[in-house]
Parts: sequence; structure tokens; C-alpha cells
Amino acid sequence: DIQMTQSPASLSASLGETVTIQCQASEDIYSGLAWYQQKPGKSPQLLIYGASSLQDGVPSRFSGSGSGTQYSLKISSMQTEDEGVYFCQQGLKYPLTFGSGTKLEIK
Amino acid sequence: QIQLVQSGPELKKPGESLKISCKASGYTFTDYAMQWVKQAPGKGLQYMGWINTQTGKPTYADDFKERFVFSLETSASTAYLQINNLKNEDTATYFCSPGRYWFAYWGQGTLVTVSS
Repeated sequence: DIQMTQSPASLSASLGETVTIQCQASEDIYSGLAWYQQKPGKSPQLLIYGASSLQDGVPSRFSGSGSGTQYSLKISSMQTEDEGVYFCQQGLKYPLTFGSGTKLEIK
Repeated sequence: QIQLVQSGPELKKPGESLKISCKASGYTFTDYAMQWVKQAPGKGLQYMGWINTQTGKPTYADDFKERFVFSLETSASTAYLQINNLKNEDTATYFCSPGRYWFAYWGQGTLVTVSS
């Protein structure tokens, strides 16, 4: 199975700050990566797919990049509504696998 | 719009069985496989597997090959997750999601609590 290592496990950011979350795959996943945001008691929401494609309705301050085994999610200007837990997920091979999550809070 | 409506919370004892439903609307049910994801309390997301909505063939991730059964009622655009011989570690929220590579739409989740 492809292992997804996500970092950091948690971070806090000030309003307007740029935030970056990293995800490393155990093998090349050829941009087969998605990012999700989850708020307490809610279902995850797809933010980015194909490593860099923005899902419809997601604010443009979210962006994804990377290739091979290294990927990142950037929030260009932290907003209060961006608090939550973020997960990466590889979509290249079954079984699909998720990163362990990054808890993002407002400082 | 695409919607996935799951059945309500369940409280069960160890050894019992349950069946969770996931009713889809807003798209042709057989156009997308249905995938299942487990989230234990305060934990991350764990992929359980998927069912081919055209053939009914299920595929399970390794941790879910023993007591878990995916099934369909295609005429009702509904997918089911059955868990047999429930264990305490099955306590979690279970999500359904149509798709193949990622999860663009999610059910609201079904909380299953297993406790004696």
C-alpha cells in the first residue's frame, strides 16, 4: 500500500498569514493527490484534486502543488473559516490511502 | 445536485450486526462506484473499499475483508454497509462517497457506537 506522510500534525496561523501543509507519498503517485478540509462533526470537503486542480466552489486562496512523491497545500491568506483538519489522499492505486491529518487553528 | 443521505446513528452491543444505508440522488447511480470510509473518534480517515455499482462486485481493503459487506439496491439508488460480529473498535463514523479516485461528495456520516 502507498503510505502518505503528512506534516505538520498541527499548526496555528494568524489571520492573513500564508499556511503550507506537506504530504509525502511512499512512491511516485504521478499527481494523483487530493486535499480535504474537515470541520468538527462534518464530512470532509474536497479542496484540490489531481495535485493542483481547484474543486468547484473552493476559494482561490487554496492551491495545491507538487509532483512525484512530494506535495503541498497552500492557503494564501488564512481566514477564520479555514480552521479545521486537512487530509491528503492518494488516488493512484487501490487501496486509496489518506495522510494522518493536519489540525489548523487560528493563532 | 448530488446528495448522499445515510441512515441514522446506531448503538449496538459487541457481537451484534448492523446495516447502514446510503441513498444517492442527483446523478445516475450506476455511473460511479460507491466507496466507504471509516473515521474512528478523534482519528483520521481510513479507506474501507468500494463496490462496483454496475456489477455489484465489492472490493475490500485488507482491514475490512472479514466482517464487512458492501451491497446495493440499485433500483433504489442505495448502497449498504453491513458489519457483522461488531467489536468495540468498530465504533466510528462511516461515510459513503461516489467516485473512483477521490471523494467529491460525501454522505453526512453514520455514527456507530459499539458498547456492552
